[in-house]
Order: sequence, then C-alpha cells, then structure tokens
Amino acid sequence: EIVLTQSPGTLSLSPGERATLSCRASQSVSSNYLAWYQQKPGQAPRLLIYVASNRATGIPDRFSGTGSWTDFTLTITRLEPEDSAVYYCQQYGSSPTFGQGTKVEI
Amino acid sequence: EEQVVESGGGLVQPGGSLRLSCAASGFTVSGNYMTWVRQAPGKGLEWVSVIHGGGGTYYANSVKGRFTISRDNSKNMVYLQMNTLRGEDTAVYYCAREMIVATTRSGAFDIWGQGTRVTVSS
Repeated sequence: EIVLTQSPGTLSLSPGERATLSCRASQSVSSNYLAWYQQKPGQAPRLLIYVASNRATGIPDRFSGTGSWTDFTLTITRLEPEDSAVYYCQQYGSSPTFGQGTKVEI
Repeated sequence: EEQVVESGGGLVQPGGSLRLSCAASGFTVSGNYMTWVRQAPGKGLEWVSVIHGGGGTYYANSVKGRFTISRDNSKNMVYLQMNTLRGEDTAVYYCAREMIVATTRSGAFDIWGQGTRVTVSS
C-alpha cells in the first residue's frame, strides 16, 4: 500500500497570498494517478486536480498541481476566504489511498 | 445533471449488518467504476471498495470478507452490504464515481454524494 504524507498539517495565510501544499508518496505513483480534493466542513470532497496537473471542470486557474513519481504539490494563488478547507491528495494504484490532509486557514 | 445519492445509514450494534444504497442519475453505473469512501468522525478519507464497469470488485483490507459491493444495472444503483460491523466502521460513507477521460481511467473521483452516516455502537 502506498502511503501519502501531506505537509504542512495546517497552513494559516492571508487573502491574496499563495498556498503551497505538499504530498509525498512512499513509492512511485503509477501513471501519475494523483488527485487533489477540497473538503469543507459538512460537505463531500470536491475534485480539484487529476492525473497530477489537470484541473477538474469548473475549477479556477488559481488552483494548480505539479509533480511526478513521489513528490506532488498543490498551489493555490490569490487566496480567497472561501478557500478555507481541508485539502487531500489521493493516489490510485493497486489500492487507492488518501493523505491525512492539510488544513488551510484564511 | 450527473449525481449520486446515498441512503441506508443508521445506528447498528456491533456484529450487526447494514446495506447502503447509492442511486445514480445522469449516467449509468454499469459503464463506470463506482467506489465507496468513508470518513470516520474528525478523521480523513479512507477508500473502502470499488466495482468496475466489467463487474470486478475490490476491497480495502480493513473490510475484506465483511463488506460486499454490488450493483443493479436496471435500477442504476450501487450497494454496499456491510456485515459483522465493528466500532471502527463508524463513519460517513460516500459513494463516488471515478472520472473517465477520453475512455481512459483517471484514478480520480469526480462525482460524490452527500454521504450517509453509519454508527456502530451498543
């Protein structure tokens, strides 16, 4: 099973700033099957990025994903108060796994 | 509009059973990979099970042998039969669809329901 470790645990930033979230895998993620989700309290997760760097439908270009193999990054530019949420990375290998999440506070 | 709606959650005693349902609309479950993901109170997300378009099924080690995923193509529904429930199965259970991009799997889940809460307690 591939273990995903996200850092930092919590990120406290101001509106307009940039957030950089890291996701490190214990082994290479096949075909860069790495996704990012945003989850707000009481809501289901929302897909932001798939296959490491592709934005899902309706996701603003302030959200971008980069990385390959074992190191992946989600960057959120021009932070807005509505970006406050927990962000999860997820890989889809033989058995899908999620990271433990990064909480972003604006 | 493509969406899924879960139902069937509730309070059940340890050792008991429960069947969750996932009603899909706007797309066919038979043509997609459908997954269950759960989230324990205050915790992160945990993948539980998937049923492939071809009917193949896979499970997380934590539920293997106790949970069974299935689908009814005529009703466009996916189910999760949960037996021998334990306290650690307490969670919100989400049904989700894996996104297909140009006939290729993406490994990402683009459609999620609102979740159904399962509480295992005596």
